Amino acid sequence: QVQLQESGPGLVKPSETLSLICNVSGASISRYYWNWIRKSAGDRLEWLGRIYTTGGPNYNPSLGGRVTMSIDTSKNQFSLKLTSVTAADTAVYYCARGYTFALNWGQGTLVTVSS
Amino acid sequence: QSVLTQPPSVSGAPGQRVTISCTGSSLNIGSYDVHWYQHLPGAAPRLLIHDNINRPSGVPDRFSGSKSGTSASLVITGLQAEDEGDYYCQSPDGSLSLWVFGGGTKLTV
Repeated sequence: QVQLQESGPGLVKPSETLSLICNVSGASISRYYWNWIRKSAGDRLEWLGRIYTTGGPNYNPSLGGRVTMSIDTSKNQFSLKLTSVTAADTAVYYCARGYTFALNWGQGTLVTVSS
Repeated sequence: QSVLTQPPSVSGAPGQRVTISCTGSSLNIGSYDVHWYQHLPGAAPRLLIHDNINRPSGVPDRFSGSKSGTSASLVITGLQAEDEGDYYCQSPDGSLSLWVFGGGTKLTV
């Protein structure tokens, strides 16, 4: 059974970088595509991007080049970095497995952007 | 504004049937498969329907999906109190390198 668990700071200051990690168990991270998705105020879901071990990641252009994703196969985990955050980046962040849809999801982690 | 349009809310009595619509364009639903998710309070989002009509293992057959042209629908029959939550449609947009979601529909039972 594939399980995903997000971790990282719950509070980030405006203009700083949000960094999250997703630990994967029950599946080799090398075999699948991995995504970051967030749910912000108003209950809207937004796809942030997708990464695989080979080839370039795909990012949502709406983030204006602020997002970077990476994979660590030795730890079976992948990560998200979002730079120059503002209050609008306050959301519950989810990691998920899948190429065209999210088959498995983590429980999510709340990140608040505030000084 | 979301790329995919859903009604903000739907409601139904226990045992009834409800339909949640998802309207897009030729760039997304008109060209690619649609997927549906359920997000219940306090739980992780859950895949309900993938590739327009397919239910993952463990999803009751009370949930069904369909697609026609640039629109898709999720039908829930035999409504139960535990179905109360948010439902989202999702599709690639313009290419397989970008996903878009509907704005979500809050189901009240």
